Amino acid sequence: DAGVIQSPRHEVTEMGQEVTLRCKPISGHDYLFWYRQTMMRGLELLIYFNNNVPIDDSGMPEDRFSAKMPNASFSTLKIQPSEPRDSAVYFCASSPSGGRGGSETQYFGPGTRLLVL
Amino acid sequence: GENVEQHPSTLSVQEGDSAVIKCTYSDSASNYFPWYKQELGKRPQLIIDIRSNVGEKKDQRIAVTLNKTAKHFSLHITETQPEDSAVYFCAARDNYGQNFVFGPGTRLSVLP
Repeated sequence: DAGVIQSPRHEVTEMGQEVTLRCKPISGHDYLFWYRQTMMRGLELLIYFNNNVPIDDSGMPEDRFSAKMPNASFSTLKIQPSEPRDSAVYFCASSPSGGRGGSETQYFGPGTRLLVL
Repeated sequence: GENVEQHPSTLSVQEGDSAVIKCTYSDSASNYFPWYKQELGKRPQLIIDIRSNVGEKKDQRIAVTLNKTAKHFSLHITETQPEDSAVYFCAARDNYGQNFVFGPGTRLSVLP
């Protein structure tokens, strides 16, 4: 298995532009998570999906951020319009379901390093 | 909601010594506590985890202890090696969802 795949690995864009980050979870995993990592705020959960359905998006910073999961093998995180403070590493993670309360181990993708100028 | 604190924020040890990182959590409903290791420029990777029905778990040089009453859990690394140098994150998850809350991280440096 190739693990969680993210693209692009690096993205440099100008303020105001739309940014789309992509994620392919591990096949068979029912849960998909989007995280943002910065020096100031650490690792923050933005949103997670179960069986392609968004379950909790309370971590999404504002309306400029949106996430979709059209099928079990693909998810996107979109920022429109982007701002310099969105600069961070964005990780996607997936996990299998297991038992009441859901899944166990989360497997992280390599991350997308976003720089908004 | 859950709040996870982690101490120390940085830790330097001599190769061969032990390292201990401590985390506290606020939500008594949390029942799953993983530890992740993140090397510079890489993704977080699970190194060990513990569930609330267990007080201690060990995997070679790594162990985790959990005190549910006090709501804290600790990572213990024995016989540290330079390749243990990384940032370590603890996390807590409750039994009713998938809301993993991560601690702020501890930067461990193992000096040769």
